[in-house]
Amino acid sequence: SQQGEEDPQALSIQEGENATMNCSYKTSINNLQWYRQNSGRGLVHLILIRSNEREKHSGRLRVTLDTSKKSSSLLITASRAADTASYFCATDGGSQGNLIFGKGTKLSVKP
Amino acid sequence: KAGVTQTPRYLIKTRGQQVTLSCSPISGHRSVSWYQQTPGQGLQFLFEYFSETQRNKGNFPGRFSGRQFSNSRSEMNVSTLELGDSALYLCASSYSIAATNEKLFFGSGTQLSVL
Repeated sequence: SQQGEEDPQALSIQEGENATMNCSYKTSINNLQWYRQNSGRGLVHLILIRSNEREKHSGRLRVTLDTSKKSSSLLITASRAADTASYFCATDGGSQGNLIFGKGTKLSVKP
Repeated sequence: KAGVTQTPRYLIKTRGQQVTLSCSPISGHRSVSWYQQTPGQGLQFLFEYFSETQRNKGNFPGRFSGRQFSNSRSEMNVSTLELGDSALYLCASSYSIAATNEKLFFGSGTQLSVL
C-alpha cells in the first residue's frame, strides 16, 4: 500500500518558473526523502529531511516538512528543461520496516 | 566509485518461464532492496537483504524470491512468469538498512516483458 501520495500527478511549466510538488503520508515517520527518476531509469536521491526538521535546502531545491499535517513539499526554483522527470517522496513508515514510495509527480519543463 | 549495476537491462520472457535478475551494489554497501515499478501500481517493495539475510519482504507471492551473497551482490528470481509480472525491476543499495536515515542508490533497472 502507498504511504506517500504526491500531488499533482502531473505538472507542466515553462523554463524559469518554479515547480511545487506535495506529498502526504499516513503514519508517523523518522524521515522523508525525495527522489527523481528520468524516464525508464533508476531513481536518484535528492534530499532527506528528518522529522525534527521543518525546512531544508539543496541548490535550487527547497523541501519543507509539516509533521502535524503529515505533509511535505518540494520546490524547484528557476526550473530547467533538464528538470523534466518524475519526482517521488519516500517515507520510512513501511509495515515491513521498508521505505515506501508514492506514485510520483511527473514534471515537464518546456524550453 | 562504481554505482549500482543491474543486469540484464532488458529481458523478454514468455508466460510460465522463470527469470533471474542480478544486482551488484556499491562497494561497501551491505543492504540491497528490490522494487517492482509499474505504471499502475508505482514502486512496490519486494524485499530487502542485509548481510546475506532477508530482512523484510513485501506483499508478493512466493514466486518472487531472492538471495544475497557474501560479497553483497543480490539476485532475485521470479518463477512461473505471468503477464502481470511485466515491469521495471529496480534494486537499490545502502550501507545500512534502508529505513534508517540513509539514502538509497538505485541501479538503472531491468525492464522485464512477459509475452
